[in-house]
Amino acid sequence: GQQLNQSPQSMFIQEGEDVSMNCTSSSIFNTWLWYKQEPGEGPVLLIALYKAGELTSNGRLTAQFGITRKDSFLNISASIPSDVGIYFCACRGGSNYKLTFGKGTLLTVNP
Amino acid sequence: DTGVSQDPRHKITKRGQNVTFRCDPISEHNRLYWYRQTLGQGPEFLTYFQNEAQLEKSRLLSDRFSAERPKGSFSTLEIQRTEQGDSAMYLCASSLDLTPQHFGDGTRLSIL
Repeated sequence: GQQLNQSPQSMFIQEGEDVSMNCTSSSIFNTWLWYKQEPGEGPVLLIALYKAGELTSNGRLTAQFGITRKDSFLNISASIPSDVGIYFCACRGGSNYKLTFGKGTLLTVNP
Repeated sequence: DTGVSQDPRHKITKRGQNVTFRCDPISEHNRLYWYRQTLGQGPEFLTYFQNEAQLEKSRLLSDRFSAERPKGSFSTLEIQRTEQGDSAMYLCASSLDLTPQHFGDGTRLSIL
């Protein structure tokens, strides 16, 4: 089946640092999504990307849809303690409805 | 609260028992999805409804699992004769057509 390789698996950073994580696939996708999940809660949508090369920001978050349509990255600038959580990339191909998720990046921010 | 609602939030049951979970999607959303998430993994797709029609079931969904969405609004997911391996977080999501899916907070199932 389709698989997404998400890296890094975990990150431990100091408050105020910038963070970058990425996701790659062997298949082409038409939509990339980034979600954040906190303990005991469901994933919350952060950013949605629909076009190759698209760069989209949401506050301190910036994500890009790779030109090859096989990868995406998420940057978080000036991290704060409430950024702690697991960040998942997810993608969908064409008119396909189901999402394929990466294994997540666990982010810990040290105040 | 207009988000996706799931009930119960936690369920503990003995192996072999049947369990049923409920999902109430965002009201104007016509598509509803069930996913399963185990520790250290991302959610995995189980099944999908467009209105009341169940259009796909994953191979992960054995014949002990059944999902319904009788009136195209809320959905139920039933697991019969539960097994240890069924322990997981069961997540429901909804969307309006191909807009991004929004998730509920899940039902955490623990099998004793």
